[in-house]
Amino acid sequence: QKEVEQNSGPLSVPEGAIASLNCTYSDRGSQSFFWYRQYSGKSPELIMFIYSNGDKEDGRFTAQLNKASQYVSLLIRDSQPSDSATYLCAVTYNQGGKLIFGQGTELSVKP
Amino acid sequence: EAGVAQSPRYKIIEKRQSVAFWCNPISGHATLYWYQQILGQGPKLLIQFQNNGVVDDSQLPKDRFSAERLKGVDSTLKIQPAKLEDSAVYLCASSKTRQGASTDTQYFGPGTRLTVL
Repeated sequence: QKEVEQNSGPLSVPEGAIASLNCTYSDRGSQSFFWYRQYSGKSPELIMFIYSNGDKEDGRFTAQLNKASQYVSLLIRDSQPSDSATYLCAVTYNQGGKLIFGQGTELSVKP
Repeated sequence: EAGVAQSPRYKIIEKRQSVAFWCNPISGHATLYWYQQILGQGPKLLIQFQNNGVVDDSQLPKDRFSAERLKGVDSTLKIQPAKLEDSAVYLCASSKTRQGASTDTQYFGPGTRLTVL
């Protein structure tokens, strides 16, 4: 059973701080790793994906991947109240593109 | 570019009734996915189509759920008969690549919120 685990939260950070969201996965055959943001009552929207070890930056967002530790994280710099949402980690295992999602971490950014 | 369209947005039914959801993917997207998202959980894949063929339906409860994608464009997901535990949001997503590359971006529709009473 391929699993993706996230802390459900809620994670609360003050405005302007760095929010750190973590995700672990069970299968070493995992190929690509995605972070989605989901506002309450809305559908998931892609923030970024990563497939190589190391860091990948996109604006205020940085994804970090460590395949040896089976760990992927998302850092949000200069957090804003508008970043308050549930963040979903997802993993693909093969060329088929099927996403395995974690349960999501709720982030709350306090003004 | 228009996004993924789904209808209806909300549906309330009694248990043992049937229900159908419709999805129109982004134009030109070969791969279509149906996910079930129960409150407080991440989405779970029910079925994946590539054009009009099924790629993965391993988690589809086939005794009550069915799906089709005739002509490789629109898709319909049906539940018959519905159970209380089917209450969830049903999300449709599509992606462009015919080969279903592992980095292919999936775009989600707004979802259909189903309540089974």
